[in-house]
Amino acid sequence: GESVGLHLPTLSVQEGDNSIINCAYSNSASDYFIWYKQESGKGPQFIIDIRSNMDKRQGQRVTVLLNKTVKHLSLQIAATQPGDSAVYFCAENPPGTYKYIFGTGTRLKVLA
Amino acid sequence: EAQVTQNPRYLITVTGKKLTVTCSQNMNHEYMSWYRQDPGLGLRQIYYSMNVEVTDKGDVPEGYKVSRKEKRNFPLILESPSPNQTSLYFCASSFWRAGSLETQYFGPGTRLLVL
Repeated sequence: GESVGLHLPTLSVQEGDNSIINCAYSNSASDYFIWYKQESGKGPQFIIDIRSNMDKRQGQRVTVLLNKTVKHLSLQIAATQPGDSAVYFCAENPPGTYKYIFGTGTRLKVLA
Repeated sequence: EAQVTQNPRYLITVTGKKLTVTCSQNMNHEYMSWYRQDPGLGLRQIYYSMNVEVTDKGDVPEGYKVSRKEKRNFPLILESPSPNQTSLYFCASSFWRAGSLETQYFGPGTRLLVL
């Protein structure tokens, strides 16, 4: 079946460094992608999204890159802070469906 | 404050005892959905609703029921809970824009333990 996967289950970075979290998606026709952050004991929180007509989108300290050729999505966090420690996962919305497919998540640990 | 609320947040029950987890949103969203989150499996969709009185199965609907009588509420019903339904449950809502579904807003989660 269709799936959204992540390459690294755990990522440790030094405070102040940049973080890159990757995601592979399987449906080449998917046209909407979202990154979520989930802190311990909380529900997923929207970070940034991107539609398939774009390759890059920037937010505050975050950038999402979409490479449709290889079906790859990445989340870049600039100047990673302790408050960024959480599980991050991507989601895709295949066209013509009313559902989202979520990846299993990558845990980001920020080292002081 | 725009939010999705769920109740209860924590629940311990026994096999076979019917329970309902409530979900409510105050954003006037048309779309609502229920997910369960299990270690190593990520979020899996149970049921979703595109609007009042319109519901459909997600990827793991067995053992669950839902209803959407009002726009703001989307309760999840477990008629006869079993231990394999022990999980963390999330409700979410979203809206349509230009014919496309936008990002979902999640509730805080309900942790269910079925003994």
